[in-house]
Amino acid sequence: NAGVTQTPKFRILKIGQSMTLQCTQDMNHNYMYWYRQDPGMGLKLIYYSVGAGITDKGEVPNGYNVSRSTTEDFPLRLELAAPSQTSVYFCASSFKDRMNTEAFFGQGTRLTVV
Amino acid sequence: GIQVEQSPPDLILQEGANSTLRCNFSDSVNNLQWFHQNPWGQLINLFYIPSGTKQNGRLSATTVATERYSLLYISSSQTTDSGVYFCAARLYVNAGGTSYGKLTFGQGTILTVHP
Repeated sequence: NAGVTQTPKFRILKIGQSMTLQCTQDMNHNYMYWYRQDPGMGLKLIYYSVGAGITDKGEVPNGYNVSRSTTEDFPLRLELAAPSQTSVYFCASSFKDRMNTEAFFGQGTRLTVV
Repeated sequence: GIQVEQSPPDLILQEGANSTLRCNFSDSVNNLQWFHQNPWGQLINLFYIPSGTKQNGRLSATTVATERYSLLYISSSQTTDSGVYFCAARLYVNAGGTSYGKLTFGQGTILTVHP
């Protein structure tokens, strides 16, 4: 099992450009999440999904969009990148089962907007 | 939403010392996890511990869900233990009969272990 895989690992964007951060998991997890981590801070939830076709906003959704067309994939779209979106982005997944909802994280994507 | 607070914010140790990190949460939670973020930024799962006590080598964790706290113990610390330790709590919120599990993170404890 590869677990949670994120691509790319690093990216530099110019202000106003757009990009998609890819996330895929091979554990057949229902729940998937996107977090951002600013320097010296904890992780804040951007968007999450409880299953294919269902997504909802987290704490900091502005400037981002998501889709969940399959169980495995949960891409995060940045439109009109801004310097405030410079951060490390983490994707995670977990089961929905109340008895086992341990979350697993990808390696992260370090994004710089200049 | 749920609030998760960690203490202390910073901790400096000499190699071989023991330490206790604390995580308080503001509401009843179904699940709690401890993570170690290494100097390369990777988040490593340490414990999945909604209640009770678990041990893994030099590390152990205890969660007392009824009193809304969890503790992470590090014994005989090593320089490789350095990094940031996060706890994260999950509160199940029922919405229209469907349960959603948002994992909320604390701000972390920065641990530095000197040789």
